[in-house]
Amino acid sequence: GQNIDQPTEMTATEGAIVQINCTYQTSGFNGLFWYQQHAGEAPTFLSYNVLDGLEEKGRFSSFLSRSKGYSYLLLKELQMKDSASYLCAAMDSNYQLIWGAGTKLIIKP
Amino acid sequence: DVKVTQSSRYLVKRTGEKVFLECVQDMDHENMFWYRQDPGLGLRLIYFSYDVKMKEKGDIPEGYSVSREKKERFSLILESASTNQTSMYLCASSSTGTGDLGANVLTFGAGSRLTVL
Repeated sequence: GQNIDQPTEMTATEGAIVQINCTYQTSGFNGLFWYQQHAGEAPTFLSYNVLDGLEEKGRFSSFLSRSKGYSYLLLKELQMKDSASYLCAAMDSNYQLIWGAGTKLIIKP
Repeated sequence: DVKVTQSSRYLVKRTGEKVFLECVQDMDHENMFWYRQDPGLGLRLIYFSYDVKMKEKGDIPEGYSVSREKKERFSLILESASTNQTSMYLCASSSTGTGDLGANVLTFGAGSRLTVL
């Protein structure tokens, strides 16, 4: 079957670094997405990886290892506004998205 | 600013009522999707559409139907609402393509929180 696993909740301190992991199993693979969702709001696109390696975009970076079925989202210099849920989604061979349940990130001062 | 607009943010309906959830996008996207989001679960795809008057069942279509009469509008219909359909409903759109990143990025609406009593 197809599935995505990510931690339910994480806590970090303002100014620190946090890594949110995601493992996936899909029938075929056409990329891995990360979305951010603030409470009560729409998910918004953060990053996309289809090749192995690290993609950096400002304070946020995303890493992919296709052989391990593994990705992580790295958030640096955490700010209070980064408190949100982070959704991992893998695209299968039919270009359908398989979604994780999301990781709620709590930032403490 | 491009966007996906869902007509109702909050609805309260009674069991057995017919419910319409409307979604409109202004990005000329070919693809539109309806998801439901429940605590502890990933987004679950209800229905999607790749073209006008076209619809495909997602993972959990039972109890739902959709309508896409115009490219910009995708409606979700609950023919007879039940309490287990209490949920957050998210509409999303994307452009067509396979190798192009931009084609597969979803733009979501703000969501419609439905409570069925």
